[in-house]
Amino acid sequence: ETGVTQTPRHLVMGMTNKKSLKCEQHLGHNAMYWYKQSAKKPLELMFVYNFKEQTENNSVPSRFSPECPNSSHLFLHLHTLQPEDSALYLCASSPSARTLGRPEWGGLYTQYFGPGTRLTVL
Amino acid sequence: LAKTTQPISMDSYEGQEVNITCSHNNIATNDYITWYQQFPSQGPRFIIQGYKTKVTNEVASLFIPADRKSSTLSLPRVSLSDTAVYYCLVGETGFQKLVFGTGTRLLVSP
Repeated sequence: ETGVTQTPRHLVMGMTNKKSLKCEQHLGHNAMYWYKQSAKKPLELMFVYNFKEQTENNSVPSRFSPECPNSSHLFLHLHTLQPEDSALYLCASSPSARTLGRPEWGGLYTQYFGPGTRLTVL
Repeated sequence: LAKTTQPISMDSYEGQEVNITCSHNNIATNDYITWYQQFPSQGPRFIIQGYKTKVTNEVASLFIPADRKSSTLSLPRVSLSDTAVYYCLVGETGFQKLVFGTGTRLLVSP
């Protein structure tokens, strides 16, 4: 149990459906992330939110729409997906999306990952 | 972004020490080295992080030479439950943007 929950854990949808993935963190963190992990491919960072502001959009297609209403919740709205979008979608959180600064002050804030949502697009 | 290179897979037996080496020749001055562990259908889990020399926690040790162009994750006395994919990441300064490589798939056998 990492303190980051994701729902649903499994989702099957057609290409014309609209669905949403939900992520909630109970760690008091201020940064949240969406990652995509396709079969046999590395994790890909999709979006970063820091203090509810989107700070990173890693060239993600517009059929994926993130929403961060507060620092504890993150959504990924899905519409008109393609079969190649089938993957494990992971949410993560960290105290901040910024590093701590000078190396001697400490390291990067650790990211805590949720269990993921296994998405299948038919 | 500093790119990392690590072996695709490794095999070991229970009770052995496992060392996984990662190369990161283009690491920047303010970059940290972080290792994550991932089990199938789960999110990655933080193992250890370091900047230079040696770091040890209850799970693993991380050895970083003076030039910081590589690092070695050491898992003492592995068990079957250590079978997983291990990722070496080099953190970007400024806004945190972790870049995961393909990782090292460790298989621990009885």
